[in-house]
Amino acid sequence: LAKTTQPISMDSYEGQEVNITCSHNNIATNDYITWYQQFPSQGPRFIIQGYKTKVTNEVASLFIPADRKSSTLSLPRVSLSDTAVYYCLVGDAQTGANNLFFGTGTRLTVIP
Amino acid sequence: GAVVSQHPSWVICKSGTSVKIECRSLDFQATTMFWYRQFPKQSLMLMATSNEGSKATYEQGVEKDKFLINHASLTLSTLTVTSAHPEDSSFYICSARDPIAPTSSYNSPLHFGNGTRLTVT
Repeated sequence: LAKTTQPISMDSYEGQEVNITCSHNNIATNDYITWYQQFPSQGPRFIIQGYKTKVTNEVASLFIPADRKSSTLSLPRVSLSDTAVYYCLVGDAQTGANNLFFGTGTRLTVIP
Repeated sequence: GAVVSQHPSWVICKSGTSVKIECRSLDFQATTMFWYRQFPKQSLMLMATSNEGSKATYEQGVEKDKFLINHASLTLSTLTVTSAHPEDSSFYICSARDPIAPTSSYNSPLHFGNGTRLTVT
């Protein structure tokens, strides 16, 4: 299975910037890093995807260092509605697993 | 665009009966769809890859005779849980890759349905 490591949970106050880091030491050379958000009793929703350096869209930013062994999802000024589980997915060069396998994810709780 | 729809959103059935879950790509064609299962407070587990016009590919430990997958058209995949038991109660979610993402096909982001909550009594 593709191996990613994320903090199990994080708490943040409303209005703060939240950074969630994902470790993926065995990322496959040609694979992108994709982040998803999941609310309770819903399917995950695509947030952002990147290969290297920095990617930004209307929802988040994704920072990827040169070695690509980790990535950081940055959520600016979170609100209560950002409370969700966040997953990063990558392909794994060691196992050959593709980017379909979910890790534990990070449960973000935004506090008023 | 790229909407995946699942039906039903929830179903309750008696032990021993079969339940069919539909997954449709509404505005695009999907030759491949993916089925996941998620237990409470746990992550998604990939069950199988559904291939249009051919047999599904099941992940290790997933019983192909219990979880029947049919992908009869480019917009519809179905998962049938046969002879359901209470331990099959779970949240089932399907997905398909974005058809127009600029990345290579196997990197295209996944679009997920809203899931089906199955409760077997």
